[in-house]
This record gives sequence, C-alpha cells and structure tokens, in this order.
Amino acid sequence: GENVEQHPSTLSVQEGDSAVIKCTYSDSASNYFPWYKQELGKRPQLIIDIRSNVGEKKDQRIAVTLNKTAKHFSLHITETQPEDSAVYFCALESPNAGGTSYGKLTFGQGTILTVHP
Amino acid sequence: NAGVTQTPKFRILKIGQSMTLQCAQDMNHNYMYWYRQDPGMGLKLIYYSVGAGITDKGEVPNGYNVSRSTTEDFPLRLELAAPSQTSVYFCASSYSSGPRDRGYGYTFGSGTRLTVV
Repeated sequence: GENVEQHPSTLSVQEGDSAVIKCTYSDSASNYFPWYKQELGKRPQLIIDIRSNVGEKKDQRIAVTLNKTAKHFSLHITETQPEDSAVYFCALESPNAGGTSYGKLTFGQGTILTVHP
Repeated sequence: NAGVTQTPKFRILKIGQSMTLQCAQDMNHNYMYWYRQDPGMGLKLIYYSVGAGITDKGEVPNGYNVSRSTTEDFPLRLELAAPSQTSVYFCASSYSSGPRDRGYGYTFGSGTRLTVV
C-alpha cells in the first residue's frame, strides 16, 4: 500500500517563528493531499488541502506546497501562535488498483508542534 | 445538524468480549470510514463504505466487521476483542461528488477510546 513519511516527529518553535513540516510519498497516483490538526483528546480537523493541479495553496498563515515530481508536500505555518500547538498529520488519497480512491486516505505519523510564548 | 456522532466515547472490554461501535451522520454523505489511531501514530483505515450496502476493507481490517444498511449509519463490530485492538477509533464521512476544489472534506466523529484488558 501507499507509504507516507512525515518529518519531523516533534517541532518546537518560539511564538512568531515559522514552522515547516514535510511529507514524502511513493505512489504517483495520489492527487489529493490534505493536512489535519489534532488537539489533545480531540478529533482531527482539516486545515488545508491541495490537489495535484496546483503547486501551492495559501490560507492566511497556513500554506501547503506540493512537488509531484519529487513526491513531497509541505505545510508552512507563519507567525506561529501558542494556539497552533497540536499534532499535525499529512495525508494523501489512496487509489485502488483501478485508480479510484473513494476518499480513502493514508496518514503520516504526525508531528507534535509546540509553540512557546 | 449534528455532523458525525460516535458512541460510546469510552469503553473497557475484556479479552474475548464483543462490542459494536456506533457511528451516524446526518449530512447525507455517501462515503463513510472507520480509522484507528494508536498512541503516537497516524490514523489507519479499517473499513470504508461508498454507500448503503457497499463496504470494503482498508489497511487493517482483521478482527473487525462492518455493515451499512442505511446511508446514515456505519457500525463497526469487534467480535473477539484482543489487547492489540486497544486504540482510539474514529468514524468519518465525506462527500462523494461536488466541486473538485472541495476536497473530500472529511468530517470526523469525536472518537471512541477502547481499552482491551
């Protein structure tokens, strides 16, 4: 099946700094790449996603970049705030052998982001 | 509009016992999923369904069964609980069609924390 490697596993930054999390994958058939934020004891929540027909997407302080040739995509958070502290997961859609994914996702292992005031 | 509702929130099972985790959504989503999340790990797909009467295995289906008799409900059954099934279980639903830039827009339930002793 699809494999997703997410780095780093932990990331500690000072408030106001930028944070970057990177994921690499192996299946070139994937065309949808979402990022989820999970606060302690809560459900994952979609924060941004990108499709393979664009290289970058931005939403206020959050951006995602995609390099399909190199098979990696990254989450960028600028001007970090303490409330950004959470676990962040990358994911990508997992097509069946026939190329249909039915929305199935393969998740990375997660990055624990800590933003110090 | 409650979104995705999971019950129970917590459960302790003895080895060999059975139980059903309930999941219901009121958004008329065709696609529904069950994921498990082990401590410090990402989510792994157990089973998924693309509509009433249609289910298929995900990455880690062993020890579980599902059914989808209605669009709204997607219960997950554990027949003979084992310690390896100690995990947090998330149900999710998503769109099956719509604007391509909508993404799959997963809506997660609040999770069921299961401990098998």
